[in-house]
Amino acid sequence: SELTQPPSVSVSPGQTATITCSGDALSKEYSYWYRQYPGQAPFMIIYKDTERPSGIPGRISGSLSGTTVTLTISDVQAEDEADYYCRSADSSGDSVLFGGGTKLTVL
Amino acid sequence: EVQLVESGGGLVKPGGSLRLSCATSGFTLGDAWMTWVRQAPGKGLAWVGRIKSNGDGGTIDYAAPVQGRFIISRDDSQKTLYLQMNSVKIEDTGVYFCSARGRDYYGDSGDYRVLDFWGPGTLVTVSS
Repeated sequence: SELTQPPSVSVSPGQTATITCSGDALSKEYSYWYRQYPGQAPFMIIYKDTERPSGIPGRISGSLSGTTVTLTISDVQAEDEADYYCRSADSSGDSVLFGGGTKLTVL
Repeated sequence: EVQLVESGGGLVKPGGSLRLSCATSGFTLGDAWMTWVRQAPGKGLAWVGRIKSNGDGGTIDYAAPVQGRFIISRDDSQKTLYLQMNSVKIEDTGVYFCSARGRDYYGDSGDYRVLDFWGPGTLVTVSS
């Protein structure tokens, strides 16, 4: 069981970025999204597929369709340039899965 | 304020051992699901293992690459999580993060927010 993300996504400021994460586990287990800046620890920006932690702006959202979850960042800004990882669990719930990560570049 | 701080990283020879610590504050360690995650240089996040909360049985699970070599433990009185790394390999090199996860329940229907905190990480280098 694994989670698949595109290695890179590029968008211009003000546009909308979408990052997908696909895997069979996603139809049964919740997904989570993390942002990581270089040299820093990751931090959660979406949990339970669609929920935002406090402090995360409304222009960041998550959605689920079948076995694919999507992270959408609207009105992309320079500060959104970072690595993004999806996370879930395998079907037994005993193992944690991470996607390979997507580097978001703001042109 | 929740804080997690890893320590114990450093240079270790292949086949050697190292013990990482994760000092915690601001929450009850035994009530959280604690996870170790590593990141090889220039690579993505990789799950190492996890210990569930005492309320969920304290079960410990490991990723296949470290099963049988690494041991996760927790000292609730010292508020510290540990990762004992034995028989280390070159591919164990990377930054090791500890993270804490809990639930903040609200309302009457069992809904909850997920609380998720990470330490800054500690670098482990396996080299001869």
